[in-house]
Amino acid sequence: QVQLQQSGQGLLKPSQTLSLTCAISGDSVSSNRAAWNWIRQSPSRGLEWLGRTYYRSKWYNDYAVSVKSRITINPDTSKNQFSLQLNSVTPEDTAVYYCARGRSNFDYWGQGTLVTVSS
Amino acid sequence: DIQMTQSPSSLSASVGDRVTITCRASQSSSSYLNWYQQKPGKAPNLLIFDVSSLQSGVPSRFSGSGSGTDFTLTISSLQPEDFATYYCQQSYSTPPTFGQGTKVEIK
Repeated sequence: QVQLQQSGQGLLKPSQTLSLTCAISGDSVSSNRAAWNWIRQSPSRGLEWLGRTYYRSKWYNDYAVSVKSRITINPDTSKNQFSLQLNSVTPEDTAVYYCARGRSNFDYWGQGTLVTVSS
Repeated sequence: DIQMTQSPSSLSASVGDRVTITCRASQSSSSYLNWYQQKPGKAPNLLIFDVSSLQSGVPSRFSGSGSGTDFTLTISSLQPEDFATYYCQQSYSTPPTFGQGTKVEIK
């Protein structure tokens, strides 16, 4: 059974960097069949895919255009986890952030982390 | 980006009712259309993938259909545990995009 366990801080001030980690059990971040995603949800933007990392003989990343200049998703093979960094946050980045497994559909999700950006 | 539009945004129904939710894509999504159920405070849960394939463990009262730009999620006989918000999501092109959700409430 795949499980995704999220960790990271929930309260940020504008201009700070959001950092979240998603620890994987029951699968491997280096799997050639999976992709590892970050998705956020807010009342104003709904469910919004932010990006993913995946391994196909080498590492690849895809990012949403809306955050491409500010986002980094990195795998950590030693800990079997992956991370999200989002720079220069604003109140518009306030949302529940989820990690999720999937190449096309998202079949396993983390528990969600509420991130609030406020001065 | 492919825009996904669901209708209705909300509906009221009774236990035992047949419920239909529609999802329209701004361009063809072929057969790469997925449905999720979300309950308050929880992550979305995959119900149906690739238009009509039932995810493991999902009751058979859930079904999906459609092709191209128009898709449907049907609950054949609504149960108390089905009151939730439902989302469609296209996986035909990057970025994957979601509908705005349909909230199913108790009548």
